Parts: sequence; structure tokens; C-alpha cells
Amino acid sequence: AQTVTQSQPEMSVQEAETVTLSCTYDTSESDYYLFWYKQPPSRQMILVIRQEAYKQQNATENRFSVNFQKAAKSFSLKISDSQLGDAAMYFCAYSVLEPNDMRFGAGTRLTVKP
Amino acid sequence: KAGVTQTPRYLIKTRGQQVTLSCSPISGHRSVSWYQQTPGQGLQFLFEYFSETQRNKGNFPGRFSGRQFSNSRSEMNVSTLELGDSALYLCASRQGLAVQETQYFGPGTRLLVL
Repeated sequence: AQTVTQSQPEMSVQEAETVTLSCTYDTSESDYYLFWYKQPPSRQMILVIRQEAYKQQNATENRFSVNFQKAAKSFSLKISDSQLGDAAMYFCAYSVLEPNDMRFGAGTRLTVKP
Repeated sequence: KAGVTQTPRYLIKTRGQQVTLSCSPISGHRSVSWYQQTPGQGLQFLFEYFSETQRNKGNFPGRFSGRQFSNSRSEMNVSTLELGDSALYLCASRQGLAVQETQYFGPGTRLLVL
């Protein structure tokens, strides 16, 4: 069974600093997708970044980037130049190509200190 | 375009009752997925509908069911409610079935079972 583990229940970062959120997963599949979702307090969950397992190049979206280590089954999220609006729960998720059966980690609550 | 909407936003029920939650996807989106979010179990996939057909179902008892209408709106039903069904129920829509397509989440329906 595929499982996703986020070992950091809470993290904090100073505004403008960089923070890395960890995620590991377990799978026997060779191709799959990994995602990071952000759920701000009392607001809708939104996709931050996605990575296909077959692509070796790490995905980047503005201040957000991932470090994808396929052999180690690790998928960490780096947030650069942290902003107050980055404060949220961050969920790592895994999905095979079909059908949709997205598996989420337990989440990491990120606090940004001014 | 309007985002994903869910009604009602809050609901209080008692054990043994049944409940129906509604989700209206983004216009043009044909896939709707449902998730249950609880503090203990985290985010869990319930089921996905596409073109009025259930494509996949998560590991939930038969008390949880759903359907999708020709306009892509979806409902989920929980019968014989239990205390453990108290949760935030999220729906998400995307245009098709490709897992790499962005899922857009609604604000959720918070269900409290007394």
C-alpha cells in the first residue's frame, strides 16, 4: 500500500527566510505523481507544486521548489523568502496515474514569524 | 469562473440520521472527487465521479455513497451516521481524469454528528 509520511507536525520560519518541509512515501510503482498542497486557515486547499516521478528535474514554482529523490522516496518542499501569507497546513500527496486515489500525508503546520 | 462550491457549509446531525452534501464543480470540469478530513485520520479519498460514473472508491463502508448528475454536480450521502463521521468533507474538481491536472478544492462542508 502506498503511504505518505510527513515527519514534521509543525515548523516555523522567520519572514524572508527559507524553510524545508519533509515528505517520504512508499510505493512499488515506477511512475506516479507527487504534490504539495497548501491549506490556509479557514480557506480552500490549493495546489502548490507537482512532480512526475519520471522527470528527473525538480519542479519549481516561483518561491517554491522541490527536492525529489526517487531512490530514497523523498519529496521535500523548499519555500524561499517566506512570506506571512505562506502560513498554512502543507500536505504532501501521492497518486498513481490512474485511477485517482490520492494519498495524503498528515500535514505540516507552518508558522511564519514577522 | 466561479470556484468549486459546496453546500451546506456547516451541518449538525445526530447518530443514526442520514445526510446529503452537495458539490458544484467549476464550469467545464467533469471530474469530481470527495475527501474526508479528520484530525485523527487526516485527508482520505472517498470516491471520484466522471461523466456520472464512479471511477474509483476509497476504503470506506457502504454507508458512504455518491452520485453525479449530467451537469457534473455531485452529491455524497452518508447513511446511519456515526460519531466518527464528524469531519470536514471536501470536494475537488478537474477537467478530466488525468492525475496531473490540477484539482480545485471547495471550501468544504463541516459535519458534526452528535
